[in-house]
Amino acid sequence: NAGVTQTPKFRILKIGQSMTLQCTQDMNHNYMYWYRQDPGMGLKLIYYSVGAGITDKGEVPNGYNVSRSTTEDFPLRLELAAPSQTSVYFCASRPRQGGYEQFFGPGTRLTVL
Amino acid sequence: SQKIEQNSEALNIQEGKTATLTCNYTNYSPAYLQWYRQDPGRGPVFLLLIRENEKEKRKERLKVTFDTTLKQSLFHITASQPADSATYLCALDNYGQNFVFGPGTRLSVLP
Repeated sequence: NAGVTQTPKFRILKIGQSMTLQCTQDMNHNYMYWYRQDPGMGLKLIYYSVGAGITDKGEVPNGYNVSRSTTEDFPLRLELAAPSQTSVYFCASRPRQGGYEQFFGPGTRLTVL
Repeated sequence: SQKIEQNSEALNIQEGKTATLTCNYTNYSPAYLQWYRQDPGRGPVFLLLIRENEKEKRKERLKVTFDTTLKQSLFHITASQPADSATYLCALDNYGQNFVFGPGTRLSVLP
């Protein structure tokens, strides 16, 4: 199993550009999450999904969109990039509700100039 | 308001000593609490989970306690080694749907 994979690893965007961060997991997990982590800070939840076709907002959803058309994929879309979205983005998954660990991807480092 | 705090941003200890990290929370009622390790430039890695009805959990040199009355979890690393140097994050279950993470404590174990 590859686990949770994210692409790209690094990206520089100009203000106002758009992009999609890709996240794929091959563990057949129902739950998937997107977090952002600013320097020296903890993880903030952007969006999450409890299964294909179901998504919900987390703590900091403004400026982002998600979709979950398959169990494996959970892309995160930035429509109009702003400097405040400069961060490291982590995707994570877990099998189901309850006391199950989250498996994290390696992260995408995004800079908006 | 809801809040999660971890005792200090950074903690330095001598090799061989026990490191103790604290996670305090307010206005949450988590069914369980998790601890993760994060190395620079990498995603967090799960270490331990403890449920609300458990007082203590151990795994090798790691020990976690959970006091729902004090709203606090303690994370201990005994016989610490320089390889234990990392940032440690606590995470609370948030009504079973998602997690809320603390800001993390950066631990440095000095040889």
